[in-house]
Amino acid sequence: QLQLQESGPGLVKPSETLSLTCTVSGGSISSSTYYWGWIRQPPGKGLDWIGSIYYSGSTYYNPSLKSRVTISVDTSKKQFSLKMSSVTAADTAVYYCARSLGFGEPAYMDVWGKGTTVTVSS
Amino acid sequence: SYVLTQPPSVSVAPGQTARITCGGNNIGSKGVHWYQQKPGQAPVLVVYDDSDRPSGIPERFSGSNSGNTATLTISRVEAGDEADYYCQVWDSSSDHPYVFGTGTKVTVL
Repeated sequence: QLQLQESGPGLVKPSETLSLTCTVSGGSISSSTYYWGWIRQPPGKGLDWIGSIYYSGSTYYNPSLKSRVTISVDTSKKQFSLKMSSVTAADTAVYYCARSLGFGEPAYMDVWGKGTTVTVSS
Repeated sequence: SYVLTQPPSVSVAPGQTARITCGGNNIGSKGVHWYQQKPGQAPVLVVYDDSDRPSGIPERFSGSNSGNTATLTISRVEAGDEADYYCQVWDSSSDHPYVFGTGTKVTVL
């Protein structure tokens, strides 16, 4: 069964770059059917899509974060990664990676990682 | 951008039926997906494409979608159903296409 696991620092200083990796196990990251995405959830708030990537490297980003976010993929390691620059306290959240069925209708997210908490603080 | 509105909370007694609404402009023309999120856990897909259930999700979870409202129905509610529930759609007219609802906290009395 496909599983996703996020990893990365739990504490990042303001103005620095947040870096997270999602490792895919139990299945292929190179499937033509799926996109791989990042979603975050600030404390006590709802879910917000950050961006998505296809195994070929095609990316889509939330316009409000686009200037600060880069998502990349390493198919040999079965990993995809998130980098977010110039972080502030507003970027404190639980970060999830997830698999979605394509990039277009229906585009639901059927497999999620357990999430990793990132706190931005000096 | 497209907005999905959910009631902040729904309370239901064990064994009764919980209905969670998700309002959006002409949402009936879109596929609606529902996620369950228990405290400290990741979201879990419980209904996709308005009314389909992923493998392993009990038949007690069902969905419908028409007009400006989609509904997730939980029949014979159990204590373990207490969670936050989020609806989600794909907004093809936006460059922020993954749209999540505001979330509903279901409390089992």
